[in-house]
Amino acid sequence: AQSVTQLGSHVSVSEGALVLLRCNYSSSVPPYLFWYVQYPNQGLQLLLKYTTGATLVKGINGFEAEFKKSETSFHLTKPSAHMSDAAEYFCAVKNFGNEKLTFGTGTRLTIIP
Amino acid sequence: GAGVSQSPRYKVAKRGQDVALRCDPISGHVSLFWYQQALGQGPEFLTYFQNEAQLDKSGLPSDRFFAERPEGSVSTLKIQRTQQEDSAVYLCASSKGQGSTGELFFGEGSRLTVL
Repeated sequence: AQSVTQLGSHVSVSEGALVLLRCNYSSSVPPYLFWYVQYPNQGLQLLLKYTTGATLVKGINGFEAEFKKSETSFHLTKPSAHMSDAAEYFCAVKNFGNEKLTFGTGTRLTIIP
Repeated sequence: GAGVSQSPRYKVAKRGQDVALRCDPISGHVSLFWYQQALGQGPEFLTYFQNEAQLDKSGLPSDRFFAERPEGSVSTLKIQRTQQEDSAVYLCASSKGQGSTGELFFGEGSRLTVL
C-alpha cells in the first residue's frame, strides 16, 4: 500500500526566507508524485507533479521539488517566501494503473512579515 | 464547464437527516473522485468512478454513504442518517482518466456540519 508522510504539520518562515516542506512516500513501484496547495475555504490546486524524466520539477508560483528515489522523498522548496504563500500544502502519491491519489496530512505554512 | 463545481458549498444538517451533495466535473473528464477532509487533515479517499461505473468504493466509511454517477457526468454523494462524525468538507475531483498522468482537478468542496 502506498502512503505519504509530511514532516511538520506547521512551518513558519520569514518573508524572503527559504521555504522547505518535507514529504516522504512509501510505494512498491515508482510512483507519480504531486504537491497541491489549499487556500482557506478553497479546493486543492496543483503546484507541480513528477511523473517520469527529470527529477527536479518546477511548478507555479516559484515552487520546485526534487524526486529522490534513494531517499523516497519529494521535498518542496521555494527560494524566497512571499506573504501570499501562506496556505496548507499537501503531498500526494499515485501508482501507475491506480487512479486515486493518496494524500499526506498536510503542512500549514505561515509567513512572518 | 471551466472547473469542477460542487453544491451546496455549505450544509447544516441535524443528526439523523439525509443529505445529498452534488458534483459537476469538468466536461469530458472520464474519472471522478470523492474525498472527505476532516478539519486539519488531508483528503481521504472515499470512492472513484470511471464514466458511470463505480470502480472503487473502498473508502466509504459505512453503508450510510452512497455515491452515484448514472450518466457518467454529474455525481451525487448521499449520506443517510447523518452523524456528528460525518462533519467534514467533501471534495470532488475529476481527471481525464486512464493513461493520463493522474492530475486531479478539485472543486471548492461542500462543508457539512452535523448538529
